[in-house]
Amino acid sequence: DIQMTQSPSSLSASVGDRVTITCRAGQSISNYLNWYQQKPGKGPKLLIFGASSLQSGVPSRFRGSGSGTDFTLTIISLQPDDLGTYYCQQSYSSPIFTFGPGTKVDI
Amino acid sequence: EVHLVESGGDLVQPGGSLRLSCAGSGFAGFIVSRHSMGWVRQAPGKGLEWVSISYSSGITSYADSVKGRFIISRDNTKNTLDLQMNSRRAEDTAVYYCARVFAASAVDYFDYWGQGTLVTVSS
Repeated sequence: DIQMTQSPSSLSASVGDRVTITCRAGQSISNYLNWYQQKPGKGPKLLIFGASSLQSGVPSRFRGSGSGTDFTLTIISLQPDDLGTYYCQQSYSSPIFTFGPGTKVDI
Repeated sequence: EVHLVESGGDLVQPGGSLRLSCAGSGFAGFIVSRHSMGWVRQAPGKGLEWVSISYSSGITSYADSVKGRFIISRDNTKNTLDLQMNSRRAEDTAVYYCARVFAASAVDYFDYWGQGTLVTVSS
């Protein structure tokens, strides 16, 4: 199975800060990488698919980049509504999928 | 907009069976059989774990942790995606989320999610 790691595991930032979350795959997964946001007590929400494509309705302050084994989710200017946990997920080995362990963002 | 609602979660003893269901609704109706769908779970205080997927083509797949114990299926009469959980274990305790899988491009992704249903396995 393809293992996914994320760093940091948690972070605290202020409104307006630029926040960067890193996801690393155990082998090359091309651009088969998606990002999700989960708020406390809620189901996850898709933010980015295919490493860099913004899902419809998601604010443009969310940016995804990377390919191969190293990927980044950047929040350009952190907003109070961005509190939550962020997960990366690989679909390179579809129909087997793997999520990263998550990065908790506090504001 | 697609809305998914899970049901069937309960406090259950180890062993035995439990069936979860996921119903969908949306503009012009949501026909489960026309979509690829999956289940993802989250143990208390833990991260997301993919459980199973059912493509609209009929292909199904399972995580190693549930393979041979769980069965994913569709009930076309009820328009639901189901997850039959057999031989329950304490480590199956989690919130189970149903999600629609967008599988029309090279990259599969879970684009619509339900709010989850809690399964607690304990004696």
